[in-house]
Amino acid sequence: AQKITQTQPGMFVQEKEAVTLDCTYDTSDPSYGLFWYKQPSSGEMIFLIYQGSYDQQNATEGRYSLNFQKARKSANLVISASQLGDSAMYFCAMREGRGNNRLAFGKGNQVVVIP
Amino acid sequence: SQTIHQWPATLVQPVGSPLSLECTVEGTSNPNLYWYRQAAGRGLQLLFYSVGIGQISSEVPQNLSASRPQDRQFILSSKKLLLSDSGFYLCAWSGARADTQYFGPGTRLTVL
Repeated sequence: AQKITQTQPGMFVQEKEAVTLDCTYDTSDPSYGLFWYKQPSSGEMIFLIYQGSYDQQNATEGRYSLNFQKARKSANLVISASQLGDSAMYFCAMREGRGNNRLAFGKGNQVVVIP
Repeated sequence: SQTIHQWPATLVQPVGSPLSLECTVEGTSNPNLYWYRQAAGRGLQLLFYSVGIGQISSEVPQNLSASRPQDRQFILSSKKLLLSDSGFYLCAWSGARADTQYFGPGTRLTVL
């Protein structure tokens, strides 16, 4: 079964607007971590934000915030005030358990920011 | 600060030829190291990871192998490449507690 699901089609976003990228996950482990990465056309995977399963508050990192809904098993990424440089693929990933070296990645969401 | 390097950046190889991709990390000691492959238009697949020199865990059985001859060096190899080995190969590192993974710039491999 797929651990991470990202099913949105490619998205066009107006510059300066906010965009929400959906991510749902599947795990029975009470301890897990959720990550979002950005992959621009250059290919490098850039870490954006992390949410631990026991974290009480939603993670925020500059213009990035994570809408963590534990009961729904969703961890949506919100990018506020989109910039042209935000155009990229965005990947959601999960690590199950503590000290686990395996990250399960979703298939990604394509975002294109238009001026 | 920590930096991670990969080379070469791009590689075109014929089927049946050997492969050696190198990854090095600077600015940290005893990192966990990872090799991922990304096929076109898809997510990342973990191939190998290492928690120390000479310690390699394989996630996917295939004709690739990995080695860690030094603390901050991770090498991905193959004796004979297949067409299906084409893809984008990313190396990553994390702290010893296996927390956030940070990725290198990647190597784009095309097998013809």
